[in-house]
Amino acid sequence: GESVGLHLPTLSVQEGDNSIINCAYSNSASDYFIWYKQESGKGPQFIIDIRSNMDKRQGQRVTVLLNKTVKHLSLQIAATQPGDSAVYFCAENRGTSYDKVIFGPGTSLSVIP
Amino acid sequence: NAGVTQTPKFQVLKTGQSMTLQCAQDMNHEYMSWYRQDPGMGLRLIHYSVGAGITDQGEVPNGYNVSRSTTEDFPLRLLSAAPSQTSVYFCASRGNTEAFFGQGTRLTVV
Repeated sequence: GESVGLHLPTLSVQEGDNSIINCAYSNSASDYFIWYKQESGKGPQFIIDIRSNMDKRQGQRVTVLLNKTVKHLSLQIAATQPGDSAVYFCAENRGTSYDKVIFGPGTSLSVIP
Repeated sequence: NAGVTQTPKFQVLKTGQSMTLQCAQDMNHEYMSWYRQDPGMGLRLIHYSVGAGITDQGEVPNGYNVSRSTTEDFPLRLLSAAPSQTSVYFCASRGNTEAFFGQGTRLTVV
């Protein structure tokens, strides 16, 4: 069936460098995408979201890019810090009112001090 | 403001036993969901609700029941626990967009 998936299961970056986490999705009808951060032993935490009528959205140190042509989503983290070490999930909404959110498998980000 | 509260935090069941995982939110959110997360995996949607009295199946609903009698509560029931249901269960609550997750219930079925 259709699914959300990630290109890279693990990513190691040097502290201070920029990180890019990629995500591919296959459901062209999905209209809302979310990035979550999950630290060990905790529930996922919202980072940033983007609707399908946008191709870029910026937050504090994070940027999400959406390319609907190739069904690709990315999360960019500027000046990566040790506290950014976590598993990152992209998720897509397949419901009619932000009710059915499906997660991708996740990328583990490790920041090297 | 407690956010999303899940109880219990840990539970061990024997195969065939039943139990209910509790989830409560105090943000007056319409949307609530249950996910399970297996080791090294992403979250899979079990059931979700768009409001009191309305529930629907997610990706992996078999073996689980839900009900939504109030806006605040969304319990998840395991009628006859199986070892394959060993997992960490997360409840989520969502307003217009951003979702808030509980701290999870770690369930082991032996």
